[in-house]
Amino acid sequence: NAGVTQTPKFRILKIGQSMTLQCTQDMNHNYMYWYRQDPGMGLKLIYYSVGAGITDKGEVPNGYNVSRSTTEDFPLRLELAAPSQTSVYFCASSWSSGRARGQETQYFGPGTRLLVL
Amino acid sequence: GENVEQHPSTLSVQEGDSAVIKCTYSDSASNYFPWYKQELGKGPQLIIDIRSNVGEKKDQRIAVTLNKTAKHFSLHITETQPEDSAVYFCAAISGGGGSNYKLTFGKGTLLTVNP
Repeated sequence: NAGVTQTPKFRILKIGQSMTLQCTQDMNHNYMYWYRQDPGMGLKLIYYSVGAGITDKGEVPNGYNVSRSTTEDFPLRLELAAPSQTSVYFCASSWSSGRARGQETQYFGPGTRLLVL
Repeated sequence: GENVEQHPSTLSVQEGDSAVIKCTYSDSASNYFPWYKQELGKGPQLIIDIRSNVGEKKDQRIAVTLNKTAKHFSLHITETQPEDSAVYFCAAISGGGGSNYKLTFGKGTLLTVNP
């Protein structure tokens, strides 16, 4: 298994441009997450999904959109890039039976480094 | 919502020494506390976790302790090795009450083990 894969690894955007960060997992996990990591600030949850067709906002959703049309893919869309969105973005997935109430191991991808100038 | 504080932000130890990283949380209903290790250029990886019905858990050279009364938990690494050098994140579960449970992460601790 490749686990969680993310593309691209690095991208430079101009202010106002849009892009999609791709995330794919091959572990048949039902839960998927997007986090951003700023220097010295830990990981902040942007959006998450508990299954295909179901998404919900996390702590910092403004400026982002997501969709979950399949179990495997969870793309993150930036419509109008702003300098404040310069960050490292991590996608993660986990399997939840619903009973564990969030106590499942999250598996992270290698990250996408985004620079908005 | 949940708030997780992590200390110290940086920690430098000599190889073979022990390292301790401490976290506090705000939500007394939190009941799951994982620790993630992030090596340079990689995504975080779970190394150990503890649930609220347990006070301590060990896995070889790493251990985690939990004090629910004081709302703090700690990561202990003994006999540190250079490959332990990484950023370590603590986290606590939050949410519930009709919404989905989500992890809240601390800001991380950069551990450097000097040969």
